[in-house]
Amino acid sequence: EAAVTQSPRNKVAVTGGKVTLSCNQTNNHNNMYWYRQDTGHGLRLIHYSYGAGSTEKGDIPDGYKASRPSQENFSLILELATPSQTSVYFCASGDRFSGNTLYFGEGSRLIVV
Amino acid sequence: GDSVTQTEGQVALSEEDFLTIHCNYSASGYPALFWYVQYPGEGPQFLFRASRDKEKGSSRGFEATYDKGTTSFHLRKASVQESDSAVYYCALGMSNYNVLYFGSGTKLTVEP
Repeated sequence: EAAVTQSPRNKVAVTGGKVTLSCNQTNNHNNMYWYRQDTGHGLRLIHYSYGAGSTEKGDIPDGYKASRPSQENFSLILELATPSQTSVYFCASGDRFSGNTLYFGEGSRLIVV
Repeated sequence: GDSVTQTEGQVALSEEDFLTIHCNYSASGYPALFWYVQYPGEGPQFLFRASRDKEKGSSRGFEATYDKGTTSFHLRKASVQESDSAVYYCALGMSNYNVLYFGSGTKLTVEP
């Protein structure tokens, strides 16, 4: 069974603070993704990675950094969190061998106060 | 840029009703098209995909046909059940399908 796990599942952060969202996949997929989900906007791509050591900008990368230290792990980093980054964040993995079927984690709900 | 448009933000039906959720796309090339479903408290799940014109994708009674002429991939189901209540996302993938772009989602509520 494909598995993508995210941590933390829930987080309250203060404005200006640093937040790290972590993602681990056991699918051995090359590609990993971070999306945010907001009402009216659906799922928007923040950053993605083709493999360990690589990160690419998605559609809305401003205010976010990403890190892919290994095949299994992909982190999303908010260096200076702002209330506009309050959202639900989803990590996913996939690759062309899976027909790019994306396997999503259960989401991380972030509230920035 | 490449994008997907879902016109219905919310759809409310009764059990055994016919479902249509509209999805239109805009792409510079020849994308693959996908439908994903998200149940409350979970991440989105792959439903099915189609990769070429006139190809039909289907799963769990849902189906959609890739129509290059009208740039559409509308989701249909003949008889919905309460358990189908969820958010449905249309998505497209370009190049090696390495990146998927999602629509804004359609929340389906089915009353018993």
